[in-house]
Amino acid sequence: DVKVTQSSRYLVKRTGEKVFLECVQDMDHENMFWYRQDPGLGLRLIYFSYDVKMKEKGDIPEGYSVSREKKERFSLILESASTNQTSMYLCASTPGTPSEQFFGPGTRLTVL
Amino acid sequence: RKEVEQDPGPFNVPEGATVAFNCTYSNSASQSFFWYRQDCRKEPKLLMSVYSSGNEDGRFTAQLNRASQYISLLIRDSKLSDSATYLCVVNKNGNQFYFGTGTSLTVIP
Repeated sequence: DVKVTQSSRYLVKRTGEKVFLECVQDMDHENMFWYRQDPGLGLRLIYFSYDVKMKEKGDIPEGYSVSREKKERFSLILESASTNQTSMYLCASTPGTPSEQFFGPGTRLTVL
Repeated sequence: RKEVEQDPGPFNVPEGATVAFNCTYSNSASQSFFWYRQDCRKEPKLLMSVYSSGNEDGRFTAQLNRASQYISLLIRDSKLSDSATYLCVVNKNGNQFYFGTGTSLTVIP
């Protein structure tokens, strides 16, 4: 079974803090994604990566950056957290060929 | 126009009922189609892929209509455990995924 893990299930941070969210997948998948999910808005793509050190902006990249130094690990960074970044953050991965996405359990981030 | 549109519901149905969800997509170049299930405060999990010929998995049937650009999910003999949000997902080019906002289903005893 594909396993996608995220570093924290729940996280509380203060405005202005730098926040790191980590995602690891164990199936040698090429593509990895970071989404945020908010009520009524569905899943929105923040960034995705199709290879090590490669990244593409999604629909809402502002206020976020990412890092993919190793194939299995994709990190999302909030440089200076703000209250409007309070959300559920979901990481996903897929192999290089068209396939369904496999999601991690999510990180519920609250920024105070 | 959104890439994928779903009726958000909520759908409240009695146990044993049959319920159908529809989803439309805007890009005719879309290649793969999926229904995901998401329980409250959990991650989405694949329910089933959707094929042009239609496919069935137990009480669940998915259909794809490329000409009209919609996909559907039919749940027969609803169970309490079917209560969840159902997400329609469309894939283009292997790494572009578009999600509907989800349809909420509650099955009532």
